Amino acid sequence: AQSVSQHNHHVILSEAASLELGCNYSYGGTVNLFWYVQYPGQHLQLLLKYFSGDPLVKGIKGFEAEFIKSKFSFNLRKPSVQWSDTAEYFCAVNPGYSSASKIIFGSGTRLSIRP
Amino acid sequence: DTAVSQTPKYLVTQMGNDKSIKCEQNLGHDTMYWYKQDSKKFLKIMFSYNNKELIINETVPNRFSPKSPDKAHLNLHINSLELGDSAVYFCASSYRDRNTEAFFGQGTRLTVV
Repeated sequence: AQSVSQHNHHVILSEAASLELGCNYSYGGTVNLFWYVQYPGQHLQLLLKYFSGDPLVKGIKGFEAEFIKSKFSFNLRKPSVQWSDTAEYFCAVNPGYSSASKIIFGSGTRLSIRP
Repeated sequence: DTAVSQTPKYLVTQMGNDKSIKCEQNLGHDTMYWYKQDSKKFLKIMFSYNNKELIINETVPNRFSPKSPDKAHLNLHINSLELGDSAVYFCASSYRDRNTEAFFGQGTRLTVV
């Protein structure tokens, strides 16, 4: 079935550690890709997005993601995490088969940062 | 100056009741959505409306009836509430063009007891 997969359900890191969260999707053709973050008790906020062009995209708060078309991946990275990065992270895809905007989310990765 | 606003933020109700959640956006978007986030944080699209017309209905039970009086509003009415309806419901909006991101409201935590 077509899907968005986030294989890491819960990641625990110490402050200053490097972060990489995996995201794979199974939609063919052109896709638009997103990473959203949900801080505890809050709504979803866009971290970054990829529509076209440079496959390495930079977002807010020092996050970046790399689109690798051959691997159907869009992994999120941050070189040095902070305690305030504790949140739920969602990868999302707007698949090419949809003429309208239809953002489909992965199951999320909970990131816990130890002070 | 909230971009996407939902009311209420919390809703506790008994099984069998009917309740509504309201959503308004002031971003000038033409497409609005309802998403359901379950207890495991999984986000699933329920409905999408473009200019007051339903364009996506993800096999949601017909106890859920969205209503869009204009393109800035998308309300969700739920009949005969069940325990399994307990979740956080997020409203979102965007432009219909798929080259766009969605903006989300603060969520409505619905608890059915």
